[in-house]
Amino acid sequence: EVQLVESGGGLVKPGASLKLSCVASGFTFSDYWMSWVRQTPGKTMEWIGDIKYDGSYTNYAPSLKNRFTISRDNAKSTLYLQMSNVRSEDTATYYCTRVASITIAAIFAYWGQGTLVTVSS
Amino acid sequence: DVVLTQTPVSLSVTLGDQASISCRSSQSLEYSDGYTYLEWYLQKPGQSPQLLIYGVSNRFSGVPDRFIGSGSGTDFTLKISRVEPEDLGVYYCFQATHDPLTFGSGTKLEIK
Repeated sequence: EVQLVESGGGLVKPGASLKLSCVASGFTFSDYWMSWVRQTPGKTMEWIGDIKYDGSYTNYAPSLKNRFTISRDNAKSTLYLQMSNVRSEDTATYYCTRVASITIAAIFAYWGQGTLVTVSS
Repeated sequence: DVVLTQTPVSLSVTLGDQASISCRSSQSLEYSDGYTYLEWYLQKPGQSPQLLIYGVSNRFSGVPDRFIGSGSGTDFTLKISRVEPEDLGVYYCFQATHDPLTFGSGTKLEIK
């Protein structure tokens, strides 16, 4: 069974940095593209970016690429999201997601339970 | 950026009836390879979103055949025939044809 478990969220002050983690299990992590998606308190969904299965390529939403960095450690089956200079508008639940498969072109086939990040002074 | 406009914003349906949700895109979602990267997600109360439909009309594993996706170009529809209690939640359309990838604003399905 595919499992994605995010962690690292919490209350942070504006301007701070935060690193989220997503531990994957139930599949060969190094075979799959992975993505981060966030959902604001108002329920707006936003794609943050994704990373190739071997970590050699990343793609970001233009509005976030200067502050957010996605990385992975395939040996640890872990996906990361480094957030820097956070702002109040970064307050959201952050989800780790996995693509379906090579044969099924679905981007967010599997989701974690999410981790809440609250940016406030 | 591609804007996906979902209508209606909310929908109240009697159990057993059909529900229909529209998703209109500001640009064609047909990619140069001929594939249309349009997906539908359902977020049930208190849960993470789940994939229902990919490639406009393909049901993901385990999704009941009551969920039917259709459309092309810029106009897409998700129909739910014979609505059941577990179908309530917020439905989102999503496109992965154009960068940046974008979601619709959601349609809340309530049961009468």
